[in-house]
Amino acid sequence: AQSVTQLDSQVPVFEEAPVELRCNYSSSVSVYLFWYVQYPNQGLQLLLKYLSGSTLVKGINGFEAEFNKSQTSFHLRKPSVHISDTAEYFCAVLGPRGGGNKLTFGTGTQLKVEL
Amino acid sequence: EADIYQTPRYLVIGTGKKITLECSQTMGHDKMYWYQQDPGMELHLIHYSYGVNSTEKGDLSSESTVSRIRTEHFPLTLESARPSHTSQYLCASSGRPKGGAGGTYEQYFGPGTRLTVT
Repeated sequence: AQSVTQLDSQVPVFEEAPVELRCNYSSSVSVYLFWYVQYPNQGLQLLLKYLSGSTLVKGINGFEAEFNKSQTSFHLRKPSVHISDTAEYFCAVLGPRGGGNKLTFGTGTQLKVEL
Repeated sequence: EADIYQTPRYLVIGTGKKITLECSQTMGHDKMYWYQQDPGMELHLIHYSYGVNSTEKGDLSSESTVSRIRTEHFPLTLESARPSHTSQYLCASSGRPKGGAGGTYEQYFGPGTRLTVT
């Protein structure tokens, strides 16, 4: 079975500063990895995904993530955040290799961007 | 652009009432899911379906039931609502689009229904 750990429940950051949201997963087999964003009172929106190929994945809104198999991590980064990036961010794993199509989510990280 | 809809968006209802939360998607996806999310918490899968007439219980036990009579429709029903059912319910879909090849592994989410049982 898979599990996902998001190490930080809240991350405060000033506008235009860089940010990294950490995600580690545990799985004995290859997996697919995702980052979703949730704005208040809304559903989840896909930011980016890793299925295979390049370990550096670029997503929407200037976000990117790097898949590190040896460290079983998939940290999300943005070089310069904006007030509008304030939201809840969820890391998720789908596996093994898409089998069952059931996502396992982390507990989420609240990103709060301040002026 | 993913098209998945949930109604109602907000529902306040008294204990003991029967409710149905609607979820529809226009992408022709074969797989659909229901998640329960408490404020500030992670999502828990409560039901999923891999196609018409196929439904399974998820990882979190739930007193709700679901049906999948049509590909695009995946309603969730609570026969007798209780205050412990107060939560946000998110519907999602994924998989092979109708008449298409390949498929998507990512899940597309609806806006959610926030349910309050008084």
